[in-house]
Amino acid sequence: DGGITQSPKYLFRKEGQNVTLSCEQNLNHDAMYWYRQDPGQGLRLIYYSQIVNDFQKGDIAEGYSVSREKKESFPLTVTSAQKNPTAFYLCASSKTGEWGTQYFGPGTRLLVL
Amino acid sequence: KNEVEQSPQNLTAQEGEFITINCSYSVGISALHWLQQHPGGGIVSLFMLSSGKKKHGRLIATINIQEKHSSLHITASHPRDSAVYICAHRALGETSGSRLTFGEGTQLTVNP
Repeated sequence: DGGITQSPKYLFRKEGQNVTLSCEQNLNHDAMYWYRQDPGQGLRLIYYSQIVNDFQKGDIAEGYSVSREKKESFPLTVTSAQKNPTAFYLCASSKTGEWGTQYFGPGTRLLVL
Repeated sequence: KNEVEQSPQNLTAQEGEFITINCSYSVGISALHWLQQHPGGGIVSLFMLSSGKKKHGRLIATINIQEKHSSLHITASHPRDSAVYICAHRALGETSGSRLTFGEGTQLTVNP
């Protein structure tokens, strides 16, 4: 079955630690996205990529980094520079172009110890 | 101020009731999406529309481009419809693929 997966489901971060969230899709989609969701707020875009080896900052990129070395994979690293990382992180993918419906992964909940 | 405003923020209904969730936006758009987020966090796309009305089962989505307003209706609501419903749009002139702007969501609870 085609789909988009994220791991782990829960992740704990210690002070000063970088952590990486995994996102993999087998839908053959060119575009991939990372969102952050906080209680009472809409999803906010962290980074997006429209093609392999290229990615763009979203609205809240500070303290985060990404890579897009393969079409199927778009990992997100939450660096120690992100001072308030506790949130629910969602990855999505879509076909490029105006009419691309986004397909979401199940999410990763990041908690700070 | 969010470009996408949803109302109500929270909605409680009895099973069988007709439900309406509203979405207003302030910019020209090329497409509007309705999404459903389950209690576990997973998000499913329900509709993508740019004009008129779409129906899928008990769900109906409408949009009025001139008034910058969309509604999501649920007929004969059921407890399994309990979820957060999210409105999102793709702005006109958006060149970054399918980049969307999201509303804060409407928490729907349907009681048996």
